[in-house]
Amino acid sequence: GNSVTQMEGPVTLSEEAFLTINCTYTATGYPSLFWYVQYPGEGLQLLLKATKADDKGSNKGFEATYRKETTSFHLEKGSVQVSDSAVYFCALKATDKLIFGTGTRLQVFP
Amino acid sequence: GAGVSQSPSNKVTEKGKDVELRCDPISGHTALYWYRQSLGQGLEFLIYFQGNSAPDKSGLPSDRFSAERTGGSVSTLTIQRTQQEDSAVYLCASSQPGTGSLSGANVLTFGAGSRLTVL
Repeated sequence: GNSVTQMEGPVTLSEEAFLTINCTYTATGYPSLFWYVQYPGEGLQLLLKATKADDKGSNKGFEATYRKETTSFHLEKGSVQVSDSAVYFCALKATDKLIFGTGTRLQVFP
Repeated sequence: GAGVSQSPSNKVTEKGKDVELRCDPISGHTALYWYRQSLGQGLEFLIYFQGNSAPDKSGLPSDRFSAERTGGSVSTLTIQRTQQEDSAVYLCASSQPGTGSLSGANVLTFGAGSRLTVL
């Protein structure tokens, strides 16, 4: 079946450090891929998405490239800020429902 | 409405009682999802409604859980004979109609959630 695997957290970084959160997937067909973010005390919201191979989703300085050959959609940011502290969820949608990974908590310290 | 509305925002109940959680999706959104988020856990899919199709109930953890969606809009998630392990935040989300990878049907708007505590 379809599934998403994320690196376990928490990921702890200093401000301005480079961020990578790994995400790999298993799916039939050609899924769309997403990163959702949950800031402290807030609801989940879409961060970025990519709908086909080699697409790059980007938003708020975050980027992720849809890599079909490695079935990956790793989230990256060149310079994190304290305000990026949140839980990040990788997700895929193949034919119907949206399937989420377990989430990765990011903690950024000044 | 402007967003996905869930009620109650917090519910404390005793073990063995039944609870109902309500979700009011964005007007015009045909797809509606229920997820569960437990402390330290990820997002667990529960059930998915799409238009008039039969719901996908494959994520419901036991027969104590059920959900319905009346008139293609408001949904109610019911948990019977609650157990302590049911304690979690129950999230509802909806999305636009349409098919294909480029449609808005792929983007979910989440409610703030209903926090359930079973004592």
